[in-house]
Amino acid sequence: DQQVKQNSPSLSVQEGRISILNCDYTNSMFDYFLWYKKYPAEGPTFLISISSIKDKNEDGRFTVFLNKSAKHLSLHIVPSQPGDSAVYFCAHRTNAGKSTFGDGTTLTVKP
Amino acid sequence: DAGITQSPRYKITETGRQVTLMCHQTWSHSYMFWYRQDLGHGLRLIYYSAAADITDKGEVPDGYVVSRSKTENFPLTLESATRSQTSVYFCASSPGNPGGTIYFGEGSWLTVV
Repeated sequence: DQQVKQNSPSLSVQEGRISILNCDYTNSMFDYFLWYKKYPAEGPTFLISISSIKDKNEDGRFTVFLNKSAKHLSLHIVPSQPGDSAVYFCAHRTNAGKSTFGDGTTLTVKP
Repeated sequence: DAGITQSPRYKITETGRQVTLMCHQTWSHSYMFWYRQDLGHGLRLIYYSAAADITDKGEVPDGYVVSRSKTENFPLTLESATRSQTSVYFCASSPGNPGGTIYFGEGSWLTVV
């Protein structure tokens, strides 16, 4: 089974700077990776995804990079804004639909 | 746009009681999921369903039962609730295309005393 690990429980950055959130995975199967953002007392909301056949996907301030040789993906947020403060989850989804999530990284963007 | 709704949003129950958390989606999505989130942990998959009458175990299925007789509903039952099942439960759905976005409900807070 695929495992996704977010080794940094928290990250603090200054407004306007870059936030880099990291995720490692264990299995090299062809599939998809997704990033979600979660505010307290709400359900997670989708941010951006990447297919394992790609190296990069960009959507506005959010860019996800996939390094297949290192089994590592990262989410870059540029520029960071105070409203970006939330818990960020990386997730893996197989072509069969099964989806597993990491433990999350709490991002704090300071004004 | 109703989307995906969960009920009840908050529930307190006693150890040993049966509890059912309801989940309803209006998009006719093929896939539906149940996750739990415990303090300090991420989202752990309990069960998922690829279509009506098709369900499969996730990472932590013990103590839970699901059914999916209709595409739009995916109830989760705790047959005999235990204190370790105190958690926030999230239902989610997604379209059937590979890598499709997963849409989450607002969560059901369950406390077992």
